[in-house]
Amino acid sequence: GIQVEQSPPDLILQEGANSTLRCNFSDSVNNLQWFHQNPWGQLINLFYIPSGTKQNGRLSATTVATERYSLLYISSSQTTDSGVYFCAVLPWSGGSNYKLTFGKGTLLTVNP
Amino acid sequence: DAGVIQSPRHEVTEMGQEVTLRCKLISGHNSLFWYRQTMMRGLELLIYFNNNVPIDDSGMPEDRFSAKMPNASFSTLKIQPSEPRDSAVYFCASSLAGEQPQHFGDGTRLSIL
Repeated sequence: GIQVEQSPPDLILQEGANSTLRCNFSDSVNNLQWFHQNPWGQLINLFYIPSGTKQNGRLSATTVATERYSLLYISSSQTTDSGVYFCAVLPWSGGSNYKLTFGKGTLLTVNP
Repeated sequence: DAGVIQSPRHEVTEMGQEVTLRCKLISGHNSLFWYRQTMMRGLELLIYFNNNVPIDDSGMPEDRFSAKMPNASFSTLKIQPSEPRDSAVYFCASSLAGEQPQHFGDGTRLSIL
């Protein structure tokens, strides 16, 4: 099946710093989502971005489908950005066009 | 718009008891997913429904687990009898269609003593 690798696995920042999280995937995808799991365990949709670039406030994401990677940018980080960021993909190939494959996540800690 | 609503948020019970988790889909969504999250295995898809019909239940761990969609907007996941190894966070997600973005509920944190 498709492989999803996220980097870095852990990241510690001071409030106000910028960061880039990366997601590499091993096959063509039909769907790519970025999620934030906050310290209370809630999984929050950040972006649906199978290709192109999107922005939402301090967050933006870019997916280069032909090169099989996606980047999540966090600018001017805040303590509330802490948590785990997951990338999840839906491969083009195969019969199961519903089964998201999740990466292991990036654990982000933003210190005040 | 209301998101996916799960209940209860937390459940603590003794092994052998029946546990029922509930999920209300986003209005207009026709695809429903149940996931389990543990430290060891991450997020695992347990079962997928489309238009109230179970399409893929290959992730359901064993016969103690069952899921239903009695109508287009509501689903239950039942564990009977429960065991300590079932302790995990259970998420429900819905989407407009199988390949469309999935929206997750807040999860149910289940502890089996």
